[in-house]
Amino acid sequence: GIQVEQSPPDLILQEGANSTLRCNFSDSVNNLQWFHQNPWGQLINLFYIPSGTKQNGRLSATTVATERYSLLYISSSQTTDSGVYFCAVRYNAGNMLTFGGGTRLMVKP
Amino acid sequence: SQTIHQWPATLVQPVGSPLSLECTVEGTSNPNLYWYRQAAGRGLQLLFYSVGIGQISSEVPQNLSASRPQDRQFILSSKKLLLSDSGFYLCAWKPGEETQYFGPGTRLLVL
Repeated sequence: GIQVEQSPPDLILQEGANSTLRCNFSDSVNNLQWFHQNPWGQLINLFYIPSGTKQNGRLSATTVATERYSLLYISSSQTTDSGVYFCAVRYNAGNMLTFGGGTRLMVKP
Repeated sequence: SQTIHQWPATLVQPVGSPLSLECTVEGTSNPNLYWYRQAAGRGLQLLFYSVGIGQISSEVPQNLSASRPQDRQFILSSKKLLLSDSGFYLCAWKPGEETQYFGPGTRLLVL
């Protein structure tokens, strides 16, 4: 099956700093999503981005499908950005998302 | 608008007891439904998915089973819980070809 690797596994930032999270995948995909899991466990959709670039406020994401990676940018980080960030991909014609191991982010005030 | 509910929110059960977790979706019809398990705060593992009533696909062999008795209801069950069944169980639905949405989850602790 497809392998999805996220880096870094853990990240500590000072409030106001910027960061880049990376997601590498081992095969061609037709669906890629970024999620944020808050400290209460809720998984929140950030982006559906199988290719190209999207922006939503302080967050943006870029997927380069031909090179099999996606990046999530967080600018001017806030303490509420803390949590775990997952990327998930779907490949072939399957119905399933395969998740990466996540990046655990802690933003300190 | 569509919403997804999971019940209960938390559950503490003894080893060997049965389990039934419920997931319901509102505001849509014939969704794809999914059960995931998350252990230790990261790494979601797909357990089951369903594309329609009575249609269940299992991703990993385990102590759990799933059923879809109604179009917008997805049930996760076990006849006898194991310690290793502890975790955070998430239900998700997908309205079409794109985004998958998650419910609030059920925290299960098996003692």
